[in-house]
Amino acid sequence: GAGVSQSPSNKVTEKGKDVELRCDPISGHTALYWYRQSLGQGLEFLIYFQGNSAPDKSGLPSDRFSAERTGGSVSTLTIQRTQQEDSAVYLCASSGADGYEQFFGPGTRLTVL
Amino acid sequence: AQSVTQLDSHVSVSEGTPVLLRCNYSSSYSPSLFWYVQHPNKGLQLLLKYTSAATLVKGINGFEAEFKKSETSFHLTKPSAHMSDAAEYFCVVSDDDYKLSFGAGTTVTVRA
Repeated sequence: GAGVSQSPSNKVTEKGKDVELRCDPISGHTALYWYRQSLGQGLEFLIYFQGNSAPDKSGLPSDRFSAERTGGSVSTLTIQRTQQEDSAVYLCASSGADGYEQFFGPGTRLTVL
Repeated sequence: AQSVTQLDSHVSVSEGTPVLLRCNYSSSYSPSLFWYVQHPNKGLQLLLKYTSAATLVKGINGFEAEFKKSETSFHLTKPSAHMSDAAEYFCVVSDDDYKLSFGAGTTVTVRA
């Protein structure tokens, strides 16, 4: 079956602009996660959605970052007023109800000029 | 708090020789421990997961890892490296099974 998909695969933006990154989880997966992979910080947890529960936003680095998950499926990560330090690969993952394994998407490479 | 330290940033081995990737963890609870692999231009893939059922965990592609609580270690091994094993490997810890904390990664190169 189809895996986790993310779009766009690459995004180049200018400092100060807003960007939206999209994640389509595996069908039927109740949990969705966002991570960031950057040269300086490695792989960091950003946010976690599980069903209809309130998301765990403890990993979001600043209030410029937000995410939503509509209808328990697709998720959008929004970065407002982008800064150069936001340049990274943003990874999305999803898991089934047992949470045994997180399946990762290919990522969106964001470059802020 | 949870964290992992991967002791080697880069490991180079000859094809057919053993591979050892070292990982030490820190956790306040009984953690879940994972190894993930990331091949160039591909997504992260789970190699294996420790969940306290057995201290020696077997994963895909001939990899295994041993959980040693006394040493707070979770080293990854493979008896015989293949060229296809060239990738970046991440040791991961989780106290709650959803928020993963990744190590810095170990890049493995395999020499013919």
